[in-house]
Amino acid sequence: DVKVTQSSRYLVKRTGEKVFLECVQDMDHENMFWYRQDPGLGLRLIYFSYDVKMKEKGDIPEGYSVSREKKERFSLILESASTNQTSMYLCASTIEADTQYFGPGTRLTVL
Amino acid sequence: SQKIEQNSEALNIQEGKTATLTCNYTNYSPAYLQWYRQDPGRGPVFLLLIRENEKEKRKERLKVTFDTTLKQSLFHITASQPADSATYLCALDPLNTGFQKLVFGTGTRLLVSP
Repeated sequence: DVKVTQSSRYLVKRTGEKVFLECVQDMDHENMFWYRQDPGLGLRLIYFSYDVKMKEKGDIPEGYSVSREKKERFSLILESASTNQTSMYLCASTIEADTQYFGPGTRLTVL
Repeated sequence: SQKIEQNSEALNIQEGKTATLTCNYTNYSPAYLQWYRQDPGRGPVFLLLIRENEKEKRKERLKVTFDTTLKQSLFHITASQPADSATYLCALDPLNTGFQKLVFGTGTRLLVSP
């Protein structure tokens, strides 16, 4: 079974802090994604990566950066957290154009 | 503009009935469309994929149709059970790039009462 894990289920940070969200997948998938999910807005793509050290902006990359140093790990970085980044963050991975496997999500609150 | 629309109002049905959820899209020509289930506080879980040349796809009690003329997909759950209560999301790859950079609908919440 494919497993996608995220470093935290719940996280509380203060405005201005640097925040790291980690995602690890165990199936050697090339493609990895970071989404945020907000009520009424659905899932929105922040960044994705199709290979190690490769990244592309999604629909809402502002205020975020990513890092993919190893194939199994994709990190989302909030350089200076703001209250409007309070959200559910979801990581996903896929190897083929069929199925995205999602992690359990990280609910981030920025105070 | 491009958009995917799902009914934002919750769908309430009785156990044993068939639930039908709708996904409409505008200004896309997707090669396939996917459906996911999401439980509260959890990540989405893939259910079914239907390609543009398929009219219908089935998996156990689930059935999906895809009408590229109407730009609509219907998702059916037959003999629904309370355990089917969840939010159901449709998604498509607008650029058909193969990287699967999906665009998701906002989802429809299904509530199945005993």
